[in-house]
Amino acid sequence: DAGVTQSPTHLIKTRGQQVTLRCSPKSGHDTVSWYQQALGQGPQFIFQYYEEEERQRGNFPDRFSGHQFPNYSSELNVNALLLGDSALYLCASSLAGAYNSPLHFGNGTRLTVT
Amino acid sequence: GQQVMQIPQYQHVQEGEDFTTYCNSSTTLSNIQWYKQRPGGHPVFLIQLVKSGEVKKQKRLTFQFGEAKKNSSLHITATQTTDVGTYFCAGRVGNFNKFYFGSGTKLNVKP
Repeated sequence: DAGVTQSPTHLIKTRGQQVTLRCSPKSGHDTVSWYQQALGQGPQFIFQYYEEEERQRGNFPDRFSGHQFPNYSSELNVNALLLGDSALYLCASSLAGAYNSPLHFGNGTRLTVT
Repeated sequence: GQQVMQIPQYQHVQEGEDFTTYCNSSTTLSNIQWYKQRPGGHPVFLIQLVKSGEVKKQKRLTFQFGEAKKNSSLHITATQTTDVGTYFCAGRVGNFNKFYFGSGTKLNVKP
């Protein structure tokens, strides 16, 4: 039973560029949430996708956008990268119908913006 | 806005000593979850508390949820080197699986 998988593992980009991160949820899960974790900080909620729609959003600018596909996998896109976007980006999957479903995290994508 | 505060930021203990981390929310939470993140790893779910005043135990770990559902604690008895990592609380507000994470407590255990 595959857990949450994320790609790529590491990424180095230049300011102003755009990046796409990918996530496949745990088998049987239908909801994908994206979190940004800066060094030494807790994960910060970016947004959540369910039924291919953005259902919840945190305090992140419109440069951060996402998508969910019919197979429940998801992408996170960040445009016009800033140095401050350097962080570990975590994808977490859960089951919408299960009240209080725990989050299952992937290993994350380490993004470095230079 | 919604905030979940967690203290202390760091804790260094000798193996065998106890450890406690505290979590406090500015608003009432639907539930609270606890996660452990090992160095270089990702957060791993430990437990969830839902009811006011709830206490749950997992071997040497004891989790509590406050009566007002605004605070929580994790206590580890007789720490071991395998307990090393950062412990996060994550509070849920409302009905969606949107969690506000604390800043974490980094635990270091000296053998």
